[in-house]
Amino acid sequence: NAGVTQTPKFRILKIGQSMTLQCAQDMNHNYMYWYRQDPGMGLKLIYYSVGAGITDKGEVPNGYNVSRSTTEDFPLRLELAAPSQTSVYFCASSSPGPRLGEQFFGPGTRLTVL
Amino acid sequence: AQSVAQPEDQVNVAEGNPLTVKCTYSVSGNPYLFWYVQYPNRGLQFLLKYITGDNLVKGSYGFEAEFNKSQTSFHLKKPSALVSDSALYFCAVRGLYNFNKFYFGSGTKLNVKP
Repeated sequence: NAGVTQTPKFRILKIGQSMTLQCAQDMNHNYMYWYRQDPGMGLKLIYYSVGAGITDKGEVPNGYNVSRSTTEDFPLRLELAAPSQTSVYFCASSSPGPRLGEQFFGPGTRLTVL
Repeated sequence: AQSVAQPEDQVNVAEGNPLTVKCTYSVSGNPYLFWYVQYPNRGLQFLLKYITGDNLVKGSYGFEAEFNKSQTSFHLKKPSALVSDSALYFCAVRGLYNFNKFYFGSGTKLNVKP
């Protein structure tokens, strides 16, 4: 199993540009999450999904969009990038039931908006 | 509101000595609490969790955590630290009103010196 994979690893965007951060998992997990990690701030939940076709907002959803057309993939879309979106983005997945919360994280995407 | 706090930005300990990384929570009822570890340039890895039952929870790599309801704490411990334990540690809590949301602390950097 590859686990949770994320692409790209690094990206530099100009203000106002858009991009999609890709996330895929091969563990057949229903639950998937997007977090951003800022220095000294821990992780903040952007969006999450409990299954294909079902998504919901987390703590910091403004400026982002998601879709979940398959169990495996959960892309995060940034529209009109702003410097405040400079961060490291982590995708995670977990299974429901007794192991909910035991999240598997991808390696992250480091995004810089200039 | 549900949240966790990690009062120490950094913990320094000598190899072979016991280590403690502190976490306090703010959520009513019975919290679901988690510890994760992050090595440099990597995603987070699940260490252990508390749901119910024994207050002492054992996890990966020899780590354990003690749940203390009266002090609203969930400190991470290890009897004998290794240099390889040096990493960033995050405490997290599951949402009280939305079980699909998770709230992370700001992280504690553990430095284990030879």
